[in-house]
Amino acid sequence: DTEVTQTPKHLVMGMTNKKSLKCEQHMGHRAMYWYKQKAKKPPELMFVYSYEKLSINESVPSRFSPECPNSSLLNLHLHALQPEDSALYLCASSQVGGSGSYEQYFGPGTRLTVT
Amino acid sequence: KNQVEQSPQSLIILEGKNCTLQCNYTVSPFSNLRWYKQDTGRGPVSLTIMTFSENTKSNGRYTATLDADTKQSSLHITASQLSDSASYICVVSAGSNYQLIWGAGTKLIIKP
Repeated sequence: DTEVTQTPKHLVMGMTNKKSLKCEQHMGHRAMYWYKQKAKKPPELMFVYSYEKLSINESVPSRFSPECPNSSLLNLHLHALQPEDSALYLCASSQVGGSGSYEQYFGPGTRLTVT
Repeated sequence: KNQVEQSPQSLIILEGKNCTLQCNYTVSPFSNLRWYKQDTGRGPVSLTIMTFSENTKSNGRYTATLDADTKQSSLHITASQLSDSASYICVVSAGSNYQLIWGAGTKLIIKP
């Protein structure tokens, strides 16, 4: 199984709402990623979890709060977002360890619209 | 500065024709180079991943080449199909999984 699943597919939320994006993989990968992608732009890395610990935060505003409850699940909690946060949010996973740079498997994404 | 540049920005070809997409990079240190296919509104799907020592790698009708001396890569698509319409993104890994330098992509449109 080389699939990364993401829910929901689409999300519309107001600026005062709290919502969560979910990501799941069963490939035994111990690195998981959140990316943000605006239209016609490449994905931008937001967070990296390695062995369920946050290893990279690319200076993301605190209104985005990641969580890795176990090695298969990754959440992104959203609170007090701005309209400019509207984007496609992608989750990815990969192997980790050694000096390798491993292939990342992406989920289908969550299309987020902030009104 | 680490950079990945792709050309052309967009390309329209007829179904059944072949095409070649280009990628030039200035990334150091170099770990590997990846080509992804991304349909609009969907996550990228990996086509190939090549290390420094690999010159050519194929995945069905997709063939990627890498010239590490000139820091150039190409993706050749043979006998294009309507389903090949997508953005093709070249990504270079600068030493680790976390240091991925993304190109802007080539938008390919296949017309019947």
